[in-house]
Amino acid sequence: QKEVEQNSGPLSVPEGAIASLNCTYSDRGSQSFFWYRQYSGKSPELIMFIYSNGDKEDGRFTAQLNKASQYVSLLIRDSQPSDSATYLCAVRDPNTNAGKSTFGDGTTLTVKP
Amino acid sequence: SQTIHQWPATLVQPVGSPLSLECTVEGTSNPNLYWYRQAAGRGLQLLFYSVGIGQISSEVPQNLSASRPQDRQFILSSKKLLLSDSGFYLCAWSGDYSNQPQHFGDGTRLSIL
Repeated sequence: QKEVEQNSGPLSVPEGAIASLNCTYSDRGSQSFFWYRQYSGKSPELIMFIYSNGDKEDGRFTAQLNKASQYVSLLIRDSQPSDSATYLCAVRDPNTNAGKSTFGDGTTLTVKP
Repeated sequence: SQTIHQWPATLVQPVGSPLSLECTVEGTSNPNLYWYRQAAGRGLQLLFYSVGIGQISSEVPQNLSASRPQDRQFILSSKKLLLSDSGFYLCAWSGDYSNQPQHFGDGTRLSIL
């Protein structure tokens, strides 16, 4: 079992819809969770981080964390074609001070006009 | 603000040639530094990380090595490149306290001929 798992997709949604991206992790001690967006041929860009159970909103993005279920998700409201990218979930390793994170393989999102 | 510089952006090298990729961070001190490789359509593979000058931890045994000669400089090297070394190489940094995210450079696309 992989430490961080994401639906590989691809996920396709129409413009204006809500895109829901999911991530599960195996280390119950994990405390810090990050979402990155990676456009094709580019490097990952941090878009959200969440440390506490519940929802965290930033503009059209909402991160949701449920530590009991070991589940973190990213909702993108009013999806735009410019949101088409691969979204990477990252979970900080709680067993080291080196700031290591384990990344999922990503979910590719396509927003159709 | 902090910035990370990584070069070159693109590199084409013959099999058996040496490699040196450099990464520098500005605007912070004592960062954690990381080297990742991303194969086409795949997730991020952590190669090396460093928590301080001269301190290198290797995640995957291979013909690559890393060095950190200065606080904000991280170098990835190889004496003899293999075809399997092709990929997208990413340098990243994070703050040295527990819940900080990683921030990525623009990456180097390495092709081995």
